[in-house]
Amino acid sequence: DTEVTQTPKHLVMGMTNKKSLKCEQHMGHRAMYWYKQKAKKPPELMFVYSYEKLSINESVPSRFSPECPNSSLLNLHLHALQPEDSALYLCASSQLTGDGTDTQYFGPGTRLTVL
Amino acid sequence: AQKITQTQPGMFVQEKEAVTLDCTYDTSDPSYGLFWYKQPSSGEMIFLIYQGSYDQQNATEGRYSLNFQKARKSANLVISASQLGDSAMYFCAMREEYNFNKFYFGSGTKLNVKP
Repeated sequence: DTEVTQTPKHLVMGMTNKKSLKCEQHMGHRAMYWYKQKAKKPPELMFVYSYEKLSINESVPSRFSPECPNSSLLNLHLHALQPEDSALYLCASSQLTGDGTDTQYFGPGTRLTVL
Repeated sequence: AQKITQTQPGMFVQEKEAVTLDCTYDTSDPSYGLFWYKQPSSGEMIFLIYQGSYDQQNATEGRYSLNFQKARKSANLVISASQLGDSAMYFCAMREEYNFNKFYFGSGTKLNVKP
């Protein structure tokens, strides 16, 4: 089973709202990732969690706040977003083999619209 | 320098024919992995195939095969017997052993399969 689930599928929020995106995997993977993807562009890495600890933050604005409550769950808390933050947000997980063989498996994504 | 280059923004193929999507990469790490993903309009990134830098044989997965030419640093995806459901965006990606937390994506190729 290579399933990563994400909720919600679609989210519309105002610039003053606070919302959260949720990602879950039950493959025993030890690394989880958040990506942002604009239309017709490749995904851009935002955050990486390895063994439930934040290992990479790609200079993401503080209005995005990641959280990894346990090895299966990854949240992305959103606050005071801008319209340019509208995008597809993808979650992924991988085994963390520590070498080039580590395959990332992606969830279906959350389409976020900021009004 | 770009880590992954996909030079075909868009391609057309007739149903039931084979098609090759190009990918070249740049790395000085002797150990790395190359990946291909399919992204339909629904947004989910679907893992297709993996090739390791030390693998002697080209990877195959059903109708997908990877034409790996290490000296040329190319990892082209070949889709045989194209189907209408193959219409999607295709991304080539690479992970290096020394920087294994990061996944480098190419800019993608939009494949359209014509009936």
